[in-house]
Amino acid sequence: VQLVESGGGLVQPGGSLRLSCAASGFTVSGKYMSWVRQAPGKGLEWVSVIYSSGTTYYADSVKGRFTISRDNSKNTLHLQMNSLRGEDTAVYYCARGAAAGLSDNWGQGTLVTVSS
Amino acid sequence: DIQMTQSPPSLSASVGDRVTITCRASQSISNYLNWYQQEAGKAPKLLIFAADNLQPGVPSRFSGSGSGTDFTLTISSLYPEDFATYYCQQSFTTPFTFGPGTKVDI
Repeated sequence: VQLVESGGGLVQPGGSLRLSCAASGFTVSGKYMSWVRQAPGKGLEWVSVIYSSGTTYYADSVKGRFTISRDNSKNTLHLQMNSLRGEDTAVYYCARGAAAGLSDNWGQGTLVTVSS
Repeated sequence: DIQMTQSPPSLSASVGDRVTITCRASQSISNYLNWYQQEAGKAPKLLIFAADNLQPGVPSRFSGSGSGTDFTLTISSLYPEDFATYYCQQSFTTPFTFGPGTKVDI
């Protein structure tokens, strides 16, 4: 099982970014896939989850701005982030779970910096 | 939203010590409680799921207990590689909130 995130970088406030998480060793459509972020020097913050059924949930802090999705043909998880704010600056991890809210495999993370 | 608290926020210990970290939920979460370990600069790692189930591959010196609102993570005898930050997380309902973490250092 391997998860590799990409797509992070520097973006101005109000801008957009799309994160990707390429999975291998399992199929993303059959698992609960999550995004969790960690601001510099801070703790873990749950961001979003997509169930195997396709149902999605979001933290209030990103609801209406972020969209989680998956590309089954490429076995890849995405996080579309719009209207970015300084407080969205963080390392973003994708994670796989055998149950909702449980993350038993994590990627290495990708850094998103929102700054002018 | 369910709020998660942890105590202590940090602790200093020595190799061989027994360490206990507590986690409390703002409402009952049954046994939907997971523990993660995060070493500096690395991704989190799942240690315990469903309150008291050891994740395969995790050393048996780690154990979890509790139900309802109060939970504990115990390390029976600290190894050098156990110096890290530990987070609890509830998976009872969204948002799947994490505790603030407990840093274990020397």
